[in-house]
Amino acid sequence: QSALTQPRSVSGSPGQSVTISCTGSSSDIGGYNFVSWYQQRPGGAPKLVIYDVNKRPSGVPDRFSGSKSGNAASLTISGLQGQDEGDYYCCSYGGKYTYVFGTGTKVTVL
Amino acid sequence: QVHMVESGGGVVQPGRSLRLSCVVSGFALSDYSMHWVRQVPGKGLEWVAFISYDVRNKFYRDSVKGRFTISRDSSKDAVFLHMDSLRSDDTGVYFCAREDGDAFDLWGQGTTVTVSS
Repeated sequence: QSALTQPRSVSGSPGQSVTISCTGSSSDIGGYNFVSWYQQRPGGAPKLVIYDVNKRPSGVPDRFSGSKSGNAASLTISGLQGQDEGDYYCCSYGGKYTYVFGTGTKVTVL
Repeated sequence: QVHMVESGGGVVQPGRSLRLSCVVSGFALSDYSMHWVRQVPGKGLEWVAFISYDVRNKFYRDSVKGRFTISRDSSKDAVFLHMDSLRSDDTGVYFCAREDGDAFDLWGQGTTVTVSS
């Protein structure tokens, strides 16, 4: 149950794209197509923005996209906006009804 | 409108117990598996426990096995986390989260647990 590895921070100017990586192992990301991503604004609860690697819940802008290759996943935010600032966490199913989260990435809009 | 509200957090001494509650509204609790997720102050999210929609399956992260117990009562629209033998590293904000297709699609606002002497 080791946390997935994410960069501490990423930043970009409005309108640019940023990509957050999430590295795991064959026991989690590499073993299942159940990767999800969560946005958390300061003082708030996490909000689901991507599930099943690359699906967006209703209401999440198509600027958010996800992908996976081997034991790693990534979240790309295109057309960066000020409201996209916050912490982002990846999460993967780890088998036997267990889940593992990433270490979290702070997104800053310059 | 779907909603989940946690309660029961507080300040407790090491070794003591605490029971957290998560009351839901706007959906049928019996249709969903539920989880508890915690956030250590200033740090990331950590999955804690799972209970299936039919109560048949319960699973925990290794560090809380034997100390924490997850349960649910659909008649009360509530999920619980009973925490025994609390340690300082159990300190954090505890969220209940609804599972939908292997992702957590709905979260409560969290309740804070502080374990300190």
